[in-house]
Amino acid sequence: EAGVAQSPRYKIIEKRQSVAFWCNPISGHATLYWYQQILGQGPKLLIQFQNNGVVDDSQLPKDRFSAERLKGVDSTLKIQPAKLEDSAVYLCASSLNSGVSYEQYFGPGTRLTVT
Amino acid sequence: DQQVKQNSPSLSVQEGRISILNCDYTNSMFDYFLWYKKYPAEGPTFLISISSIKDKNEDGRFTVFLNKSAKHLSLHIVPSQPGDSAVYFCAAGLDNYGQNFVFGPGTRLSVLP
Repeated sequence: EAGVAQSPRYKIIEKRQSVAFWCNPISGHATLYWYQQILGQGPKLLIQFQNNGVVDDSQLPKDRFSAERLKGVDSTLKIQPAKLEDSAVYLCASSLNSGVSYEQYFGPGTRLTVT
Repeated sequence: DQQVKQNSPSLSVQEGRISILNCDYTNSMFDYFLWYKKYPAEGPTFLISISSIKDKNEDGRFTVFLNKSAKHLSLHIVPSQPGDSAVYFCAAGLDNYGQNFVFGPGTRLSVLP
């Protein structure tokens, strides 16, 4: 079974520029998450999708961050414009919505550096 | 305000001995807990979970203990192996609440040969 795919793996941009990250979850997983992990901290949930609907985006800085999950499969996370404090690893995860297991499967992440 | 705390940023243990990683939470409503392991340049991988209806869950070398009154859980690894060297994250959430979990800052475990 293929895992969660993310691209790019690394991105360096200057502040005020825009950037987009892509995620392809495990086939059949209804729930998709985007996390931000700042160095030395645990992953912080930015947005959670159930199929193509948003379940929770309470911690998403909506003035600069946006995310979509068209057709309930792939997802993109965009930052526009980027700030220095956005430097972090952006993790995508997916899970079954079976109500049996809460295990989330994580992709390798995209390391963003804003200079 | 950290809802999930892992107060030891790092831990070193000799191969073959027990590793004990601790996690504390502040929200008494949390009733489901997970541990993840993370290697460098990889995403976290699920290790073990526990529901608040239990106080212990075991899977091979890994055992998680939950003390609800103290709002504390711990992960025991016995015996520790060099391949266990990684960052371990504790996560807490509400059962039946959309699988939304709060993660702790992690503990880096080093198992010395």
